[in-house]
Amino acid sequence: SQTIHQWPATLVQPVGSPLSLECTVEGTSNPNLYWYRQAAGRGLQLLFYSVGIGQISSEVPQNLSASRPQDRQFILSSKKLLLSDSGFYLCAASLGSGNTIYFGEGSWLTVV
Amino acid sequence: QKEVEQNSGPLSVPEGAIASLNCTYSDRGSQSFFWYRQYSGKSPELIMSIYSNGDKEDGRFTAQLNKASQYVSLLIRDSQPSDSATYLCAVMNSGYSTLTFGKGTMLLVSP
Repeated sequence: SQTIHQWPATLVQPVGSPLSLECTVEGTSNPNLYWYRQAAGRGLQLLFYSVGIGQISSEVPQNLSASRPQDRQFILSSKKLLLSDSGFYLCAASLGSGNTIYFGEGSWLTVV
Repeated sequence: QKEVEQNSGPLSVPEGAIASLNCTYSDRGSQSFFWYRQYSGKSPELIMSIYSNGDKEDGRFTAQLNKASQYVSLLIRDSQPSDSATYLCAVMNSGYSTLTFGKGTMLLVSP
């Protein structure tokens, strides 16, 4: 079966600290991969998407970056976190036909 | 800027009633449309996808699409308290493989 693993599930980080969120997909090959963020009371915002290894498209300029070192691995990073980076981060992947997008369980980030 | 608009709600319906959720979108070239359900504190889960004008039924859920009016809706029949959640409308952007989401409509089903 196709599954999306995302970790860590929750983390509390001080302002200015680095960040690394990891996502892996099982059960499919060459998926499109996505990072979304959902801030409190706001909608889902697309941060990055990737159609292949090393191919990253950024939707929102900010202090976050993404990398895709392997076909089914997607990493979201920051060198220095801001308070405004707090939110619910969701990895997603297109699985199956029709470009249907499914989400991992998400990572709650609180920057203090 | 591609936009997807939803009434934020909350939409309150009694148990057993029909809940009607609506969505409009700005990208006339969009061909794929999705409804996700999100429980508080959880990630969105896919309920329905629809690609052609008309109705698509899956159990208690019916998605409706009218591309000419740029309008998508989701009907939930025999609403249950467990249906209480935020429902997100999503539109696949034409020429890309990304989704634009509405901010969601909160549905409350009272016993």
